[in-house]
Amino acid sequence: DQQVKQNSPSLSVQEGRISILNCDYTNSMFDYFLWYKKYPAEGPTFLISISSIKDKNEDGRFTVFLNKSAKHLSLHIVPSQPGDSAVYFCAASAETSGSRLTFGEGTQLTVNP
Amino acid sequence: DADVTQTPRNRITKTGKRIMLECSQTKGHDRMYWYRQDPGLGLRLIYYSFDVKDINKGEISDGYSVSRQAQAKFSLSLESAIPNQTALYFCATRGPSTDTQYFGPGTRLTVL
Repeated sequence: DQQVKQNSPSLSVQEGRISILNCDYTNSMFDYFLWYKKYPAEGPTFLISISSIKDKNEDGRFTVFLNKSAKHLSLHIVPSQPGDSAVYFCAASAETSGSRLTFGEGTQLTVNP
Repeated sequence: DADVTQTPRNRITKTGKRIMLECSQTKGHDRMYWYRQDPGLGLRLIYYSFDVKDINKGEISDGYSVSRQAQAKFSLSLESAIPNQTALYFCATRGPSTDTQYFGPGTRLTVL
């Protein structure tokens, strides 16, 4: 069963606008959430994370929001830039499972100039 | 220099062949991981190791084996490759005080 789901395989936005990437999870034991960005022919790179004790974490243009009651998190990128075009993976971990990461399927973000 | 390196970057092999993918890291992390990525499925955990003497199966370990030769080296082997093992393979490391994992550049493996 897919414990972490990214229901949108792709998203296209205009440069300068906001990009919102969504992620849902089913395992209530998850207590740490991360977003990774992946360019073609490269490994995923860490972008931003959030602990379950928080509902928002911000780093420059990137903000992650966590809604525990809805088991939903989102990544906001403002303003979006063409260099942000990549595949974005949501991941979650639970201390009770040795902090193994469970990944979503990924969302391809395309930012058009 | 990259902190996590993988060799080879690309490999084409035939069904039934044994193949080894290697991962080295200079981050000094104890924890290392092997994942595979398939289109539409994200990254799935194959094996992970918390130190040289601690190896654990992930969610899709069948058909794979690993060896942790040293803190800095973690190898993944396919004893008898099959076509559905065609995928992108990533190695990752993790430090002791964070859940953040750091990934290598990946190996694209094709099994004919």
